[in-house]
Amino acid sequence: GENVEQHPSTLSVQEGDSAVIKCTYSDSASNYFPWYKQELGKGPQLIIDIRSNVGEKKDQRIAVTLNKTAKHFSLHITETQPEDSAVYFCAASGLGSQGNLIFGKGTKLSVKP
Amino acid sequence: DAGVTQSPTHLIKTRGQQVTLRCSPKSGHDTVSWYQQALGQGPQFIFQYYEEEERQRGNFPDRFSGHQFPNYSSELNVNALLLGDSALYLCASSLGDSPLHFGNGTRLTVT
Repeated sequence: GENVEQHPSTLSVQEGDSAVIKCTYSDSASNYFPWYKQELGKGPQLIIDIRSNVGEKKDQRIAVTLNKTAKHFSLHITETQPEDSAVYFCAASGLGSQGNLIFGKGTKLSVKP
Repeated sequence: DAGVTQSPTHLIKTRGQQVTLRCSPKSGHDTVSWYQQALGQGPQFIFQYYEEEERQRGNFPDRFSGHQFPNYSSELNVNALLLGDSALYLCASSLGDSPLHFGNGTRLTVT
């Protein structure tokens, strides 16, 4: 079955710097890749997603890139702010199986003012 | 527009007992998925309900069962609780192939 590896497990940056989180997946049939942000005591919140027919997607300070050949995708956050501090999860799923997301283990991002 | 709501927010049970968790999907959503999130881990898929039937199931034992009602709300039942069942249980809803929207979860502690 699908396996998603996520790195790094913790990331500390200065406010205003960029942050990059990387994920690899094992199942070449996966074609949907969302990123979720989880704050303490809350459920995961979708921040951006990408489908396999697109190589890059951007939403203000957040961007995701996908390399299907290498089976990896990355989250890029620019101009980080203290409120970006949270745990970020990548996930993958196959066509018609978007309810069955396979999650990475998460990256705890700390943005220092 | 209410998002996904889950109840209760916290629950303490004794090993061997049974528990029922409840979820109301986001308005307009008809599909409910349940996940288990152990401390420090990513969520793990339990099962998905659509049109009142279990459509997909993850690698969880039969002690985990569910139900979806005609109004799309859902319940997760866990029988014969084990200490290892202690986790945050997340409900997510969706419509078609739209992204999953998660609730804030139910924190279950088994003692």
